[in-house]
Amino acid sequence: NAGVTQTPKFRILKIGQSMTLQCTQDMNHNYMYWYRQDPGMGLKLIYYSVGAGITDKGEVPNGYNVSRSTTEDFPLRLELAAPSQTSVYFCASSYPQDTDTQYFGPGTRLTVL
Amino acid sequence: AQSVAQPEDQVNVAEGNPLTVKCTYSVSGNPYLFWYVQYPNRGLQFLLKYITGDNLVKGSYGFEAEFNKSQTSFHLKKPSALVSDSALYFCAVRERNTGGFKTIFGAGTRLFVKA
Repeated sequence: NAGVTQTPKFRILKIGQSMTLQCTQDMNHNYMYWYRQDPGMGLKLIYYSVGAGITDKGEVPNGYNVSRSTTEDFPLRLELAAPSQTSVYFCASSYPQDTDTQYFGPGTRLTVL
Repeated sequence: AQSVAQPEDQVNVAEGNPLTVKCTYSVSGNPYLFWYVQYPNRGLQFLLKYITGDNLVKGSYGFEAEFNKSQTSFHLKKPSALVSDSALYFCAVRERNTGGFKTIFGAGTRLFVKA
């Protein structure tokens, strides 16, 4: 199993540009999550999904959108990039029976200039 | 509201010595507690968790953590540190009977193990 994969690994955006961060898992996990990690801060939950077609906001959803058309994929969309969205983004997944053990992808480092 | 604190930004320890990474928490009810480790340019990896039962929890790579309800702490420990243990460690908490999406992560503690 590849686990949780994320693309791209790095990206630089200009203010106002848009992009989609891709996340795929091959473990047949129902639950998927998007976090951002800022320096000196813990992870903050952006959005999560408990299954295909179901998504919900986390702690810091503003400026982001998600979709979950399949069990495997959970893309994160930034519509109008802002410098405040400069961060490292992590996707994670888990079984519904054990949501406490989350499996993380390697992360996407995004810089907005 | 639930919260978790890691009071040390960085912990330095010599190889072979015991290590402790501190974590304290605050939740309304009973906690579920977790430790994750992050190696450079990698995502977080699950180390161990406390759900219920024995206060001493053993996890991956020889790590263990002790749940102390009276002190609301969940410190991570290892009897003998290795240079390869150098990484960023995150404590996390959520209240029992809530979903994994309610997990709160601490800011992280960077562990340096010197040869």
